[in-house]
Amino acid sequence: EAGVAQSPRYKIIEKRQSVAFWCNPISGHATLYWYQQILGQGPKLLIQFQNNGVVDDSQLPKDRFSAERLKGVDSTLKIQPAKLEDSAVYLCASSLSSGTWIKRETQYFGPGTRLTVL
Amino acid sequence: AQTVTQSQPEMSVQEAETVTLSCTYDTSESDYYLFWYKQPPSRQMILVIRQEAYKQQNATENRFSVNFQKAAKSFSLKISDSQLGDAAMYFCAYRRATSGTYKYIFGTGTRLKVLA
Repeated sequence: EAGVAQSPRYKIIEKRQSVAFWCNPISGHATLYWYQQILGQGPKLLIQFQNNGVVDDSQLPKDRFSAERLKGVDSTLKIQPAKLEDSAVYLCASSLSSGTWIKRETQYFGPGTRLTVL
Repeated sequence: AQTVTQSQPEMSVQEAETVTLSCTYDTSESDYYLFWYKQPPSRQMILVIRQEAYKQQNATENRFSVNFQKAAKSFSLKISDSQLGDAAMYFCAYRRATSGTYKYIFGTGTRLKVLA
């Protein structure tokens, strides 16, 4: 079974530039998560999708961050314009949305995209 | 608001020995899930073990087990017979089980070093 795919793996941009990250979840996983992991901290949930609908985006800085999941499969997270404090690893994860609670709650993470804002 | 605290930024253990990583959390909910995730240097997070709050029995997965103390809001991870491959960042995480916000809350992590 293929895992969660993310691209690019690394990105370096200047502040005020725009950047986009892509995530392809495991086939059949209806729930998709985007996390921001700043160095030395645990992951912080930015947004959670169930199919193509948003379940939780309470911690997404909506003035500069946006995310979409058209067709309920892959997803894109965008930052426009980027700030220095956006430097972090952006993790995508997916999980099933049905079945036992263990199946629903087991998140599979991608390798992440390391963003450096100069 | 719920919080998850990992008070040990770094721990070391001798290969084949046992180590316990601490996690405490704060919540007013009675039904929730708790998790331990492992993040090796390659940065791909892997689920290690999970616990339902309503279950008193501590979860075990091979060499990994938890000590879940609901009243004390404590959820520690014990790794037995430590191996070099166990070296990683370990994150404790919480999620409420009832409907509403599905937000997972992670602690700041504990870096585990395994000494040969």
